Amino acid sequence: EDQVTQSPEALRLQEGESSSLNCSYTVSGLRGLFWYRQDPGKGPEFLFTLYSAGEEKEKERLKATLTKKESFLHITAPKPEDSATYLCAVQAKWVGGTSYGKLTFGQGTILTVHP
Amino acid sequence: DGGITQSPKYLFRKEGQNVTLSCEQNLNHDAMYWYRQDPGQGLRLIYYSQIVNDFQKGDIAEGYSVSREKKESFPLTVTSAQKNPTAFYLCASRAIPRDGLLNQPQHFGDGTRLSIL
Repeated sequence: EDQVTQSPEALRLQEGESSSLNCSYTVSGLRGLFWYRQDPGKGPEFLFTLYSAGEEKEKERLKATLTKKESFLHITAPKPEDSATYLCAVQAKWVGGTSYGKLTFGQGTILTVHP
Repeated sequence: DGGITQSPKYLFRKEGQNVTLSCEQNLNHDAMYWYRQDPGQGLRLIYYSQIVNDFQKGDIAEGYSVSREKKESFPLTVTSAQKNPTAFYLCASRAIPRDGLLNQPQHFGDGTRLSIL
């Protein structure tokens, strides 16, 4: 069974204080690892897809990295507007030749950035 | 602008009542999904559909039903058999990658919050 565990559950930072969020996963063959940002009362907003170990993606103050067992979301010099819940999800390789894109989600990390 | 529209934003269900949540997308995506989100838990898959007139159960399909009569629309009915329907419901869609193309992410609507009266 595919599993995703995110840590910490909640993270409080001061503006400008860099840190990392962790996403540990077990999956029977990784087809993709996805990071989303979710604001209160809204749907998740897509950030990154990582496909293989060693891959990195960047967007503004966010950088996502991937190893064979975990992914990190690094936040450099965060601002209050970066406050949100960050979700990690994995998609396993196709089963029986049929891809339906099933994602297994972690429970999320709630990030709060204080000014 | 292309996107996914869910309605209503808030919905209240009485005991023994069926309610239907709407999901419409204009992204021309083939695949559509319904998830349930509860506090402190990850999103859980209820139903998914890869093509019109075909859909499959996800991990927690009991007490729910769906239809896919049009590519753009994937409504979810929460039936009276679902004893704990209070949750945030999210609809998503995805372009199905053709051979040789990279996997595509799911894109989400802004959800419907369902509560029991």
